[in-house]
Amino acid sequence: QVELQESGPGLVTPSQTLSLTCTVSGGSISSGSYYWSWIRQPAGKGLEYIGRIYTSGSTNYTPTNYNPSLKSRVTISADTSKNEFSLKLSSVTAADTAVYYCARIVNTDWFDPWGQGTLVTVSS
Amino acid sequence: QSVLTQSPSVSGAPGQRVTISCTGSSSNIGAGYDVHWYQQLPGTAPKVLIYANTNRPSGVPDRFSGSKSGTSASLAITGLQAEDEADYYCQSYDSSLSNWVFGGGTKLTVL
Repeated sequence: QVELQESGPGLVTPSQTLSLTCTVSGGSISSGSYYWSWIRQPAGKGLEYIGRIYTSGSTNYTPTNYNPSLKSRVTISADTSKNEFSLKLSSVTAADTAVYYCARIVNTDWFDPWGQGTLVTVSS
Repeated sequence: QSVLTQSPSVSGAPGQRVTISCTGSSSNIGAGYDVHWYQQLPGTAPKVLIYANTNRPSGVPDRFSGSKSGTSASLAITGLQAEDEADYYCQSYDSSLSNWVFGGGTKLTVL
């Protein structure tokens, strides 16, 4: 079964760039069958879709889609050789403090499975 | 303000039935996009509970059921158990935003 695991710094300084990686095991991100996504959840609040990437091992075609509210600051990329995908969020503020999840998008529609999540705190 | 609207909280006694509603609009649920439901137990990641409006993944008890009508969807839980105490989120796709969207979540308390 597919499992996802987030990794990256737990503390980021304001105005800097948040960088996280999601490592996928039990399946290939370049199978071409799924999208791979990032979602975040501030403490005590709801879920917010950040963006997603599609990869197919046969080409360099890796289209992305981002939440319009974050689009100017977000970049999602993939490294198929490592079977992982990454999130970069620039110019962070305290409002970006949240638990960040990676998840697979099934049928271009629902999110399953999810990683366990990683808490990122933006503070000086 | 979430694109999909859920009541913040709902409660019920063990054994009872509760429903959680999710209200959208003509650009998401009303446009025919499927609704999915997630259960988030305290301190854990969300897990899909119902997908494509009415379908339960293997391992999800049949006490959980989903429905959709017009611009709304509902999650019903029968035979409430203490272990059902969690946050529940609905999710769909919104064509005007070209994005996947979530409800604000409903906290279920088992009395």
